[in-house]
Amino acid sequence: DQQVKQNSPSLSVQEGRISILNCDYTNSMFDYFLWYKKYPAEGPTFLISISSIKDKNEDGRFTVFLNKSAKHLSLHIVPSQPGDSAVYFCAASARYSGGGADGLTFGKGTHLIIQP
Amino acid sequence: KAGVTQTPRYLIKTRGQQVTLSCSPISGHRSVSWYQQTPGQGLQFLFEYFSETQRNKGNFPGRFSGRQFSNSRSEMNVSTLELGDSALYLCASSGKSDRGLSYEQYFGPGTRLTVT
Repeated sequence: DQQVKQNSPSLSVQEGRISILNCDYTNSMFDYFLWYKKYPAEGPTFLISISSIKDKNEDGRFTVFLNKSAKHLSLHIVPSQPGDSAVYFCAASARYSGGGADGLTFGKGTHLIIQP
Repeated sequence: KAGVTQTPRYLIKTRGQQVTLSCSPISGHRSVSWYQQTPGQGLQFLFEYFSETQRNKGNFPGRFSGRQFSNSRSEMNVSTLELGDSALYLCASSGKSDRGLSYEQYFGPGTRLTVT
């Protein structure tokens, strides 16, 4: 049972346009969400995160939107650049009220291809 | 700051053997988590250590174990290797507070384990 789903295995976007990557989750206990970027033969690189108390977080060209009622989040990259071509993973975590947290639950990833 | 380092980067073992992987977190990070990445299952959480104690564990058999030392360095051990254990093993560190908030996790490059 996949608790974090990225339904698009791949996405092709023209350079300079907006890239929108989507992620859905089913576990209502998740309260912290992250996006990672991964190149082949490297570990994932942290991009941006958002807590469930917010609905938007921005960092330069990257913006993450969270819709808790729909259990949906998205990553917007504007403008898209050739170096953005990579696999993007959505991840989620649940924090315990008594302290501690689950490990990250990852989606299967979306391969973003930026075309010149 | 130096990033997360993992050794060795590549390893080939025979079915039935055991293996130990090592991870050095970012200086000052006290939480270390381990993940397994395979083409079929994606990134899956193995366990997390904080202050030399295992705090969380994913859904993996007891053949997978780990430990953390007083300097926060961590090792992961897999006993009685099976062909299905062939994967990229990733270590991640985070600057978790004593309350266990899920701060961003920073990944190492991984150890590619091949079991023949």
